[in-house]
Amino acid sequence: AQKITQTQPGMFVQEKEAVTLDCTYDTSDPSYGLFWYKQPSSGEMIFLIYQGSYDQQNATEGRYSLNFQKARKSANLVISASQLGDSAMYFCAMREDQNYGGSQGNLIFGKGTKLSVKP
Amino acid sequence: DAGITQSPRHKVTETGTPVTLRCHQTENHRYMYWYRQDPGHGLRLIHYSYGVKDTDKGEVSDGYSVSRSKTEDFLLTLESATSSQTSVYFCAISDLTARSYEQYFGPGTRLTVT
Repeated sequence: AQKITQTQPGMFVQEKEAVTLDCTYDTSDPSYGLFWYKQPSSGEMIFLIYQGSYDQQNATEGRYSLNFQKARKSANLVISASQLGDSAMYFCAMREDQNYGGSQGNLIFGKGTKLSVKP
Repeated sequence: DAGITQSPRHKVTETGTPVTLRCHQTENHRYMYWYRQDPGHGLRLIHYSYGVKDTDKGEVSDGYSVSRSKTEDFLLTLESATSSQTSVYFCAISDLTARSYEQYFGPGTRLTVT
């Protein structure tokens, strides 16, 4: 079974509108972290936002917020006021902490969602 | 930006030839990782290192070996390249002291095996 599922291969959004990118995860580890990365057409991987499994509040970073629903095992990325420069691939990733045995920081990635922002 | 470089950035090689990719960091981070990115698969972990001469396998390690003789350098070797190893290879680093264990990625190496 996939540990990270991104069900939207591609999405379109109108400039200045908000968009939600879906991510569900599967883990039995009580401690874990969830990440979103952006990959523009130039190819680099850009860290956007992080949510720890024990964080009480949803993470926010500027126009990015992470809608964390622990019981549903979902960690959706919300981008507010989309800009043309937001057009990119977006990857959800998870770090498992191995039942407190210590994490080596390895990330498990989803297959990505390609977001296109229309002017 | 985290100081991570990868070399070469692009390489075309023939099936059966050995290939070594280099990742170099200036951050003195303990942890380094090699991932490959293929269409429809996201990024998958090949090998990682948790210190000089300390390495371990990831999800897709078959056909790859790694070495880390210095903190700043992490080498990925394809002993005998195959067409299935055509991919984009990313190196990443992490200090595992930040709360998130955030990983910083290098610019990637595009490898084509003909």
